[in-house]
Amino acid sequence: KQEVTQIPAALSVPEGENLVLNCSFTDSAIYNLQWFRQDPGKGLTSLLLIQSSQREQTSGRLNASLDKSSGRSTLYIAASQPGDSATYLCAVTNRDDKIIFGKGTRLHILP
Amino acid sequence: DTGVSQNPRHKITKRGQNVTFRCDPISEHNRLYWYRQTLGQGPEFLTYFQNEAQLEKSRLLSDRFSAERPKGSFSTLEIQRTEQGDSAMYLCASSPSALSYNEQFFGPGTRLTVL
Repeated sequence: KQEVTQIPAALSVPEGENLVLNCSFTDSAIYNLQWFRQDPGKGLTSLLLIQSSQREQTSGRLNASLDKSSGRSTLYIAASQPGDSATYLCAVTNRDDKIIFGKGTRLHILP
Repeated sequence: DTGVSQNPRHKITKRGQNVTFRCDPISEHNRLYWYRQTLGQGPEFLTYFQNEAQLEKSRLLSDRFSAERPKGSFSTLEIQRTEQGDSAMYLCASSPSALSYNEQFFGPGTRLTVL
């Protein structure tokens, strides 16, 4: 059974710092891995999608890596801003077509 | 706006009442998914459709829950005899084809509160 774990559960960093969010999964037989952002009480915004054959994806200040063999992904946020404060969710798409989510990392950027 | 839309955005109901939510996927997206998210947790898969066919249902989907996608376009999720444990955010997502590696696009969700 696929399990997705995100560490840390919560993180506070001063504005301007670079930071890394971690995600691990137990079954490497995945189609892809996605990172989402969720603001309080809102839906999900897809940030980056990495196909299983890819190693990383970049969008602006965000960079996501995927090491399928070790079951790990990281989301790197450069030059953090207060507007980056949100919950970040990692999710993998299994070979049985299901998406399994982690519980998320609550990020707070201190002005 | 051509994204996934969900209605209503918020629903407050009394225990024992029936509620129905609607999801309109991105036009021509064949796959439609329903998820449930409780406080402090990630979303959990409930069910999905390929066009009008419901292909899989999670064990989370008790017999009080039913989902339909009658014409392969919009979908409804009905909860009968609501319980306080049904309080959650219900999220809908769609993807463009049967290919599992396609990205799912999420709607804003419907937040259900059962009193």
